Amino acid sequence: NTKITQSPRYLILGRANKSLECEQHLGHNAMYWYKQSAEKPPELMFLYNLKQLIRNETVPSRFIPECPDSSKLLLHISAVDPEDSAVYFCASSRQGADERLFFGHGTKLSVL
Amino acid sequence: SQLAEENLWALSVHEGESVTVNCSYKTSITALQWYRQKSGEGPAQLILIRSNEREKRNGRLRATLDTSSQSSSLSITATRCEDTAVYFCATDATSSGQKLVFGQGTILKVYL
Repeated sequence: NTKITQSPRYLILGRANKSLECEQHLGHNAMYWYKQSAEKPPELMFLYNLKQLIRNETVPSRFIPECPDSSKLLLHISAVDPEDSAVYFCASSRQGADERLFFGHGTKLSVL
Repeated sequence: SQLAEENLWALSVHEGESVTVNCSYKTSITALQWYRQKSGEGPAQLILIRSNEREKRNGRLRATLDTSSQSSSLSITATRCEDTAVYFCATDATSSGQKLVFGQGTILKVYL
């Protein structure tokens, strides 16, 4: 799926700050960050619709989402914790969750 | 809390056989979606079935929805090795707004 691109693909962190980036080329209005821990389903972290933060799940405050425009999504991470090790997926949909979500390939975060 | 749940953790079948994955959910929904996730990739939608639909087909895939028993099934006929993946059902509970919640997933292995 090259319609949603995420970078980087792999991220190994100590306690540094870092940002994940996502861009979709589908003209969708809604964009999401999902976290998937090992052998678990994807869990919604944040949802943006037309650049407005609609749903902000109870994730640690060290995760800060940003939506600079309707096609881009960032996830800023500060002072990561080992429990943050997971794959972070960006997804988008035309309007909302009752429509098909398109997922990127994910960023695998490993916290040392 | 889990809104949707697949009924089996793992299945394995011979190539060419048919297989069915079942899912139950806990609340009223607008739509139910089936996703497939292959190793190292993001989830990819297979079928979306709305609450006023009873059956949906997509090639070798057939999904059913029973709103009275709050259950759904995904059947795959003539399975192939490339069908090996984790299969998730996901729902957007009408009370959850635009939040798409995934079940725990069923691991399907298709072998020669």
